[in-house]
Amino acid sequence: SSELTQDPAVSVALGQTVRITCRGDSLRSYYASWYQQKPGQAPLLVIYGKNSRPSGIPERFSGSNSGNTASLTITGAQAEDESVYYCNSRDSFTNHVMFGGGTKLTVL
Amino acid sequence: QVQLQESGPGLVKPSGTLSLTCDVSGGPISSNIWWSWVRQPPGKGLEWIGDMYQSGSTDYNPSLKSRVTISLDKSKNHFSLNLSSVTAADSAVYYCARIISGHDYSNSYYYYAMDVWGQGTTVTVSS
Repeated sequence: SSELTQDPAVSVALGQTVRITCRGDSLRSYYASWYQQKPGQAPLLVIYGKNSRPSGIPERFSGSNSGNTASLTITGAQAEDESVYYCNSRDSFTNHVMFGGGTKLTVL
Repeated sequence: QVQLQESGPGLVKPSGTLSLTCDVSGGPISSNIWWSWVRQPPGKGLEWIGDMYQSGSTDYNPSLKSRVTISLDKSKNHFSLNLSSVTAADSAVYYCARIISGHDYSNSYYYYAMDVWGQGTTVTVSS
């Protein structure tokens, strides 16, 4: 399959830990990258590679991969983390790039 | 620090060609980097359009491949998107992005990510 599947919505209490998942066959050979998007803004890369954060991304964001599933974990979610999160990967055979459908995170 | 800026007409007529440019500042476009176009229809998710390497190599979304051309102008330090035979379904915010990619040999995994994005430009297809 050349698709990435995400849960449409997830909620977390302020200060608690939340995991957002992404599933797809491409994740068996490619790490997922994760993007945060707020309304009216361009996506912002928050995690790439095995578990790398671009400069300026808080340490509470982390990533992991296992089999065909990748996860983005936010440890101690803050109100400003309320956003839509997209996973992204590439098919190792076709080089075609794909995005998950996005997960809307609500911080309660 | 590399910055990207999209530009182009905000309104395109049906059956016409959508043409956008992404200006790259803060670094040469001809470095060992892939560049990408992504779009987002109103209220929907992100859709990959295609990638281009400075050598001229390209990869396109198979659903758009017959209508898409991505090109690169090293002298102007920008890359461009042409999408032909547009319909209302092509109305979207269009983003350009820089790609980082590589191979994690210790874990036999590859990585691919878009680490720098333009602010996006809205294109509406309408008569």
